[in-house]
Amino acid sequence: AQSVTQLDSQVPVFEEAPVELRCNYSSSVSVYLFWYVQYPNQGLQLLLKYLSGSTLVKGINGFEAEFNKSQTSFHLRKPSVHISDTAEYFCAVILGGRDDKIIFGKGTRLHILP
Amino acid sequence: DVKVTQSSRYLVKRTGEKVFLECVQDMDHENMFWYRQDPGLGLRLIYFSYDVKMKEKGDIPEGYSVSREKKERFSLILESASTNQTSMYLCASSLFWGAAQGLYEQYFGPGTRLTVT
Repeated sequence: AQSVTQLDSQVPVFEEAPVELRCNYSSSVSVYLFWYVQYPNQGLQLLLKYLSGSTLVKGINGFEAEFNKSQTSFHLRKPSVHISDTAEYFCAVILGGRDDKIIFGKGTRLHILP
Repeated sequence: DVKVTQSSRYLVKRTGEKVFLECVQDMDHENMFWYRQDPGLGLRLIYFSYDVKMKEKGDIPEGYSVSREKKERFSLILESASTNQTSMYLCASSLFWGAAQGLYEQYFGPGTRLTVT
């Protein structure tokens, strides 16, 4: 069963516009949630993570995400994107109480339009 | 800064060859991971290791084996390469991995793009 779903495979957005990349997970137990970014020809880099505490998580490069337990979502947002944000973004989840296995979504490719 | 290096960025091998992909990390991390990344499928865990000589199967271990003789080095082995193993292979390492430590942070290498012809 799919544990994490990224609803958009590609998202085009104009430079300096806001962006939201959507991520939903399927679990009724506690979860740990992550967003990773992969710039062209590079490995993945952790953007931010939610383990506990405040549901609004701030990450690097001006990104933030909000954990919404009732909607089982962890959407990633940035108020104003730059051309350097062109990358693929991966949402990931670890289901608490299980084997600490991290499960990645299929990725969302962010295209910044000039 | 943590550095995870992979022996090759690009590799071309023939069907049936034995292939070694090497990964080295320089931060004394306990845990190391091998993933494959395919378009539209995201990352899938092949194997991980939580200590020297220790290994656990991930989601897609078939056709692969691993070796961890030293803490800093984790090798992925394709015993007899096949065309369906053409993919991007990513290695990662992590100091801690578990709810008890409250940390789940992986550092990734740049990847090896393997083509099997």
